Amino acid sequence: DAGVIQSPRHEVTEMGQEVTLRCKPISGHNSLFWYRQTMMRGLELLIYFNNNVPIDDSGMPEDRFSAKMPNASFSTLKIQPSEPRDSAVYFCASSFSSGGPSAYNEQFFGPGTRLTVL
Amino acid sequence: EDKVVQSPLSLVVHEGDTVTLNCSYEVTNFRSLLWYKQEKKAPTFLFMLTSSGIEKKSGRLSSILDKKELFSILNITATQTGDSAIYLCAVNYGGSQGNLIFGKGTKLSVKP
Repeated sequence: DAGVIQSPRHEVTEMGQEVTLRCKPISGHNSLFWYRQTMMRGLELLIYFNNNVPIDDSGMPEDRFSAKMPNASFSTLKIQPSEPRDSAVYFCASSFSSGGPSAYNEQFFGPGTRLTVL
Repeated sequence: EDKVVQSPLSLVVHEGDTVTLNCSYEVTNFRSLLWYKQEKKAPTFLFMLTSSGIEKKSGRLSSILDKKELFSILNITATQTGDSAIYLCAVNYGGSQGNLIFGKGTKLSVKP
């Protein structure tokens, strides 16, 4: 199993540019999560999808951030326009949820995308 | 406000020492508490705890949850340099399986 795949692994861009981060979840998983990690704020959940539908996007910092999941094997996180304070490591994770109220289902994290906005 | 607080923020020990990492939480509708180890890459899952007083153990690592006092500890015995990492505590809470709040982590450095 290839695990969760993220691309690019590193991204350096200038303020104002559009940034698109990509994620391929583990095959068979039906939940996908986007996280952001910084020294100041630690690891924060931005948004998560279940069966390709966004369930909770309350962690998305502002309208400059958007996420999509057009199918079960692909998701994107877009920042437009990017700002220096968006510099962070962005993780994608996936899990399998059997549905209904249940205990946590282990999330498998991708290697992350290190974003630097100059 | 829901929160997860870990202590200490960083810790330096020598090989062979035993360490205890702490995690306290305040959340609405607690479901489970999780420990992760993060080295240079992504967090990797260690334990999930849902019941008080039941120790989970994996090799030299063990963890226990106290739902009355709202905390958990992660113990590492006979530490090795390979244990050097950031240890993250997270709490799953609320009505949805995606509500997960992380602590800032404890950075453990094990010296030879």
